[in-house]
Amino acid sequence: EVQLVESGGGLAQPGGSLRLSCVASGFTFSRCAMSWVRQVPGRGLEWVSSISGSGSGIYYADSVKGRFAISRDNSKNTLYLQTDSLRAEDTAVYYCAKVLYYDILTGLFDYWGQGTLVTVSS
Amino acid sequence: EIVLTQSPATLSLSPGERATLSCRASQSVSSYLVWYQQKVGQAPRLLIYDAFDRATGIPARFSGSGSGTDFTLTISSLEAEDFAVYYCQQRRSWPLTFGGGTKVEIK
Repeated sequence: EVQLVESGGGLAQPGGSLRLSCVASGFTFSRCAMSWVRQVPGRGLEWVSSISGSGSGIYYADSVKGRFAISRDNSKNTLYLQTDSLRAEDTAVYYCAKVLYYDILTGLFDYWGQGTLVTVSS
Repeated sequence: EIVLTQSPATLSLSPGERATLSCRASQSVSSYLVWYQQKVGQAPRLLIYDAFDRATGIPARFSGSGSGTDFTLTISSLEAEDFAVYYCQQRRSWPLTFGGGTKVEIK
């Protein structure tokens, strides 16, 4: 059974940082591209970042480029999102999501975690 | 960036009725259009990918159609568990983008 469990969310001050984690199980993590998608409560979905299975391919949304960094540790089956220089508009639930296909970096998500809430406020 | 526009924003229907949801892209996405369902308090669920392929475990009452810039998600006969928000998303090019969603509510 595929499972994605996020953690690391919480309250951060504007300009602060948080490191989000997503522990994966039930599939061959190192072969799967992964992504972060966020959602302001009550609003729509916004793609944040994606990373290939090897970590060599990475994409970011313009809204987070230069402030957020996606990475992965395939030995730990864990995906990360380092969020720096946080702004109020980064407040959202952050989901990690698994790509349907092995060995391809694309945006087609067949499993999602339960999300972790990031609140940026002073 | 490809902009996806979903309509209507809200669809008020009764169980058993047919639901037709639209997603229009600002430029061609070929067939790389995905549909998700999201219920309150839950993560999105993959329904349809590449315009018309149903994901594993998705009932046959859900179907997708279209190509290029105009896409449709059809629910042939609404069941109680189908009342939710539906999002389209394109995977044709980066950045990935989502539509604003269509809420299917009980009339």
